[in-house]
Amino acid sequence: EDKVVQSPLSLVVHEGDTVTLNCSYEVTNFRSLLWYKQEKKAPTFLFMLTSSGIEKKSGRLSSILDKKELFSILNITATQTGDSAVYLCAVTMNTGNQFYFGTGTSLTVIP
Amino acid sequence: NAGVTQTPKFRILKIGQSMTLQCTQDMNHNYMYWYRQDPGMGLKLIYYSVGAGITDKGEVPNGYNVSRSTTEDFPLRLELAAPSQTSVYFCASRGWGFSNQPQHFGDGTRLSIL
Repeated sequence: EDKVVQSPLSLVVHEGDTVTLNCSYEVTNFRSLLWYKQEKKAPTFLFMLTSSGIEKKSGRLSSILDKKELFSILNITATQTGDSAVYLCAVTMNTGNQFYFGTGTSLTVIP
Repeated sequence: NAGVTQTPKFRILKIGQSMTLQCTQDMNHNYMYWYRQDPGMGLKLIYYSVGAGITDKGEVPNGYNVSRSTTEDFPLRLELAAPSQTSVYFCASRGWGFSNQPQHFGDGTRLSIL
């Protein structure tokens, strides 16, 4: 009955590697999908996606949404130790004001 | 530039005690949310508010109460603390208008019930 499923649950890579994090969802009246980065404290906003096929990019991070297959990916290229964090995915619907979060992917980048 | 401020940062309670977790935001945001995050889990919505005087239940409201008397403040109350309420609690807010309005989070309150 989970609305948002993220994979993998955890990932350990070496600096310089490229990683792909996955988020699949199953909600009615989909509105948007959001990615957050959570280090030790509060989640911080990365991207909001509402349209299929349009890549959002910020430095080494990029994300894209597929509304037909109901998933999104978050790519991080040339990873650095500062990328180590939990990455959370959330979806919103046209009805209601709630954000539904997945369990997150824990990324550890080793020097 | 405070954003969303939560107090206290840490608290230990005994079973059956009550307490209020404070949350205030200075961005004039209409929407405010309370989440709990258990180890290895995502954020679960407890309560939310779309404006002063209006609150609604989220996914896990049992054992909690909220009020929203002002735009800035959204306190969360635990009446009879239970071990199952041991968690990290996050408050969040967002502005009016749905598009391009992500949530802004506070730094969290780590609560232990013993």
